[in-house]
Amino acid sequence: DAGVIQSPRHEVTEMGQEVTLRCKLISGHNSLFWYRQTMMRGLELLIYFNNNVPIDDSGMPEDRFSAKMPNASFSTLKIQPSEPRDSAVYFCASSLSSGGTDTQYFGPGTRLTVL
Amino acid sequence: SQQGEEDPQALSIQEGENATMNCSYKTSINNLQWYRQNSGRGLVHLILIRSNEREKHSGRLRVTLDTSKKSSSLLITASRAADTASYFCARATNKLIFGTGTLLAVQP
Repeated sequence: DAGVIQSPRHEVTEMGQEVTLRCKLISGHNSLFWYRQTMMRGLELLIYFNNNVPIDDSGMPEDRFSAKMPNASFSTLKIQPSEPRDSAVYFCASSLSSGGTDTQYFGPGTRLTVL
Repeated sequence: SQQGEEDPQALSIQEGENATMNCSYKTSINNLQWYRQNSGRGLVHLILIRSNEREKHSGRLRVTLDTSKKSSSLLITASRAADTASYFCARATNKLIFGTGTLLAVQP
């Protein structure tokens, strides 16, 4: 079975541009998590969904960030407009259970560079 | 902060030696998990220990949990060069909160 799939793997964009990151969950998983990893702040939870419903978005930095889960297997994280401080590796993870505390399976990440 | 601390931040050992990493936290937890991250890759789950468990083993990994001291340790025995990675503990409350990690380098 394929793991969590993220695209693109690398994204380089200019400040002010819109960026969309994509994630496909493991089939049958019910929870979806978006994380951001930087050297300065480590691994931060941005938002997580249970059964397509956003449960906790307290980690979303500001209104420039939005996340959607249009169906049970797919999610997008959008940054509009992007800024240089958004440069980071963004990970998507999924979990079988409908909760935030069980084993999570991470995708390979999207390395975002905003110039 | 709920993040707590992991130590050491970095650890360098020779192949065959044991590696011990520690994790402390401040709030009550449901469980505690350890993950590994190879450079440039996603995190990989290693082991989950529940709050009512004290010790758990998986292959060369041994995890202990002391809820009275709010601390956990990960022991990797007979280390290999392939164990070189960053290791993170994650405290589970109503979500996972990851620590800052320990960078382990195993010299061949």
